[in-house]
Amino acid sequence: EAQVTQNPRYLITVTGKKLTVTCSQNMNHEYMSWYRQDPGLGLRQIYYSMNVEVTDKGDVPEGYKVSRKEKRNFPLILESPSPNQTSLYFCASSSGTVGYFGAGTRLSVL
Amino acid sequence: TQLLEQSPQFLSIQEGENLTVYCNSSSVFSSLQWYRQEPGEGPVLLVTVVTGGEVKKLKRLTFQFGDARKDSSLHITAAQPGDTGLYLCAGEYGNFNKFYFGSGTKLNVKP
Repeated sequence: EAQVTQNPRYLITVTGKKLTVTCSQNMNHEYMSWYRQDPGLGLRQIYYSMNVEVTDKGDVPEGYKVSRKEKRNFPLILESPSPNQTSLYFCASSSGTVGYFGAGTRLSVL
Repeated sequence: TQLLEQSPQFLSIQEGENLTVYCNSSSVFSSLQWYRQEPGEGPVLLVTVVTGGEVKKLKRLTFQFGDARKDSSLHITAAQPGDTGLYLCAGEYGNFNKFYFGSGTKLNVKP
C-alpha cells in the first residue's frame, strides 16, 4: 500500500528543545516536501526536495531544517523550537504533482 | 496575503443540493490541484488540471480550469453527507515544484 508515514503524530515540547519529525515514503518518489497548516492560512510549504541531497526552501523555511540522505526519508528538524511553530505539519511525496500526504504531526511548543 | 483565494470559506447545505467552490488568483498557474481533507488526516488528491479551459469529472464532482489558468472551480452535484470535508486548491507557479494552497472551503452536507 502506498504510504507516507510521519512520526510522531502528536508532540508537546518546550521552547528551545531540538526535535525531529520523521517522514518516510514507500513509493520511490523523488519529490518530497513539508507543509505546515494553520487556521485561516491553509497549507504553506516549508521545504521541498527534488531528490537525494537536493533540497530547497519553500514559502516559510525560517526556523526549520531538512535533510535528504536517502530517497525514502525526509526528516524535518527544528533546532530551537519557538511557540510560533506550534502547528499541524504534513509531509508529502509525489511523482509529479503533490500527490500523497502523511497523516500529520500536531506539534505544540510551550 | 493568500496567493490563492478560495470561496466560500464555509458552506452548509442539505443532502441533494448542488454547490460550487471557487479558487482564484491574479497569477497564472502551471498546474492546479484539488484536495479533500478530513479531520485528523492529510489531504487526499482529487484531481490535477494543467490546460486552460480543461474540464475533468470525477463521479459527481466537476473540476474546471479557467482559460487563462488563473482560476478554477469545483462543482458537486447532488451532494451527499460523505462529501463533508475541507476542500483545498493548490497552485503550482512558475518556480517548478513550489506549491501554494488556498485556505480551504469547509463543506458540511446535512442528511
